[in-house]
Amino acid sequence: LAKTTQPISMDSYEGQEVNITCSHNNIATNDYITWYQQFPSQGPRFIIQGYKTKVTNEVASLFIPADRKSSTLSLPRVSLSDTAVYYCLVGGGSNYQLIWGAGTKLIIKP
Amino acid sequence: EAGVTQFPSHSVIEKGQTVTLRCDPISGHDNLYWYRRVMGKEIKFLLHFVKESKQDESGMPNNRFLAERTGGTYSTLKVQPAELEDSGVYFCASSQPSGRGGSGNEQFFGPGTRLTVL
Repeated sequence: LAKTTQPISMDSYEGQEVNITCSHNNIATNDYITWYQQFPSQGPRFIIQGYKTKVTNEVASLFIPADRKSSTLSLPRVSLSDTAVYYCLVGGGSNYQLIWGAGTKLIIKP
Repeated sequence: EAGVTQFPSHSVIEKGQTVTLRCDPISGHDNLYWYRRVMGKEIKFLLHFVKESKQDESGMPNNRFLAERTGGTYSTLKVQPAELEDSGVYFCASSQPSGRGGSGNEQFFGPGTRLTVL
C-alpha cells in the first residue's frame, strides 16, 4: 500500500486559490488518488478522486501528471470555512483499506 | 439521504469495563469500515466488512476488540475489557462496491465516537 507525503501545514487568504501537492512515488497501477477534508470533531469528508489527468467537481480540481507520482488538489477562491485538515490517500481496486498520513492543516485567514 | 451515523457520540468508561459502539451505514452500502484515531496519532484502519463478512481485519489491535455486522446492516464494535490505550475517536465509514460508480475509496464517514477510558 502506497504512502503519501504532504505539507504539514499551509495558510492562505480568503478569495485565493490554494494548491496542495501530495507525493506518492510508490503508487500502484490500480491505485486511485483520493482527497478527504476533515473539520475538528467530525469524520473525514470525501472531496475528490482521480486516476489520471484532471478531475473537477463542484468544490475542487485534482491534477495528476502522467507518471502519477504526485497529485495536486486545487481549491478555488477559498473561504474561512475551508480551514480544515486535508488528507491525500492512494489505494483502491480490490484493496479498500485506506492508509492515512498526518494530512495538511490548511488555515484560511480573512 | 441519511449519512453514516454512529452511537454514542461520546463514551467515558473505566479501565476494565466493556463498551459497544454502533455504526449505521448508508442504506445500500455493502462495505463498512472501522477506523480509529488515538490521541496525537494518525487515523488507522481496523477492519472492513462486505455485507456481513469480515473482508479484512488486519488492523484490529488485539482480541479485546470484536466487530460484528449481523444481517449486513449496522455494525457493532465491542471493546472488552477496555484499556487506557483504547482511548481515541472511532470512525465508521461505508461505501459502495468497486464498479458501482467508484473505486471503492469514496468512503462516507460518520462523525465518530469519542471513547475515553479512565
